[in-house]
Amino acid sequence: DQQVKQNSPSLSVQEGRISILNCDYTNSMFDYFLWYKKYPAEGPTFLISISSIKDKNEDGRFTVFLNKSAKHLSLHIVPSQPGDSAVYFCAASDSLGKLTFGKGITLSVRP
Amino acid sequence: KAGVTQTPRYLIKTRGQQVTLSCSPISGHRSVSWYQQTPGQGLQFLFEYFSETQRNKGNFPGRFSGRQFSNSRSEMNVSTLELGDSALYLCASSLGQGRLVYGYTFGSGTRLTVV
Repeated sequence: DQQVKQNSPSLSVQEGRISILNCDYTNSMFDYFLWYKKYPAEGPTFLISISSIKDKNEDGRFTVFLNKSAKHLSLHIVPSQPGDSAVYFCAASDSLGKLTFGKGITLSVRP
Repeated sequence: KAGVTQTPRYLIKTRGQQVTLSCSPISGHRSVSWYQQTPGQGLQFLFEYFSETQRNKGNFPGRFSGRQFSNSRSEMNVSTLELGDSALYLCASSLGQGRLVYGYTFGSGTRLTVV
């Protein structure tokens, strides 16, 4: 049973436009959420995180939004750049700290 | 400072064989976690070691095992390999104290192909 779901396997956007990557979770014990970015032949790298006490966290072009009542979070990338093309994983953590990952979404940014 | 180092980068094994993968964490990190990445399943948690003890375990069969040494280096072993074990195996290290995910850093992985 997938506790962290990324329902869209891929997303394609035009350079300069906004990319919105969605993630849903089912476990109400999750209280810390992260996004990782992964290029082929490399390990995932940490991108941005958000605690459940917040509903928004911003870092440069990247913003993560959390809607606790809907158990939904999203990653916004504005403006999107070709170098952003990668696989993005959503992950969630409970107080014990174990990470549960979604299956990932492949973002393609067209020049 | 050096990152998380995984060896080897690539490995080809035959069904029925066993394999050992190695992970050297960032200096000072005491926790090492292992993940399996496949196209259909994404990143799945295998186990986590802290101070030479397995602290957390995912839902994988007993053919998958691991250990951690006193210098925090960790090895993962898969016995009686099956074709479905072909995957990218990633390890991640962290300080291990407080929330595990803080400072969680992944290695580049070992690509295992079982033929």
